[in-house]
Amino acid sequence: NAGVTQTPKFRVLKTGQSMTLLCAQDMNHEYMYWYRQDPGMGLRLIHYSVGEGTTAKGEVPDGYNVSRLKKQNFLLGLESAAPSQTSVYFCASSPLGQRDSPLHFGNGTRLTVT
Amino acid sequence: DAKTTQPPSMDCAEGRAANLPCNHSTISGNEYVYWYRQIHSQGPQYIIHGLKNNETNEMASLIITEDRKSSTLILPHATLRDTAVYYCIVRVLMKTSYDKVIFGPGTSLSVIP
Repeated sequence: NAGVTQTPKFRVLKTGQSMTLLCAQDMNHEYMYWYRQDPGMGLRLIHYSVGEGTTAKGEVPDGYNVSRLKKQNFLLGLESAAPSQTSVYFCASSPLGQRDSPLHFGNGTRLTVT
Repeated sequence: DAKTTQPPSMDCAEGRAANLPCNHSTISGNEYVYWYRQIHSQGPQYIIHGLKNNETNEMASLIITEDRKSSTLILPHATLRDTAVYYCIVRVLMKTSYDKVIFGPGTSLSVIP
């Protein structure tokens, strides 16, 4: 049981390049989330999904797109990377509608945009 | 969504109890209080959660005031490995509505030898 797996772990992009971050979970969770973390700012929610085929905006969605074509995968896309998107990105998942349903986090993707 | 307020930093002597406070004065009746921690740059780790009653597990205890406007996470015997940023969040568990889980800046706990 791998839990939440994020790929890649590290990436360096040039301004204007595009990329996709992949999050995969093997716990059959309905909810999935993408957060970014910058120094001293805690975790900020980018986008989230409550099920296959559904997505919603979080606190800081601009410059990002997401897709949830399969229940186990949640993709975060950067169409035209900017230096302001240099950050650590965390994916999380949780089951739906259950009392004991904490978020399970991946170990992060460290992205640098030059 | 209810928001939380935590002190930005705290120190605790190794072996002593660490008491981390959280204010959530606008919490609603069906919102749970959750605690996570993040060590270095790893993914956040779930610690404990509760609704009304105090809770205890192998990691910590959670004390929620009777009016539910504040709570305290207690690490009974802090070790150096407990040095981390601790996040208190409130979360609505609803089957039909979107569930935004919002993190604040948290409390940076330093356990001192």
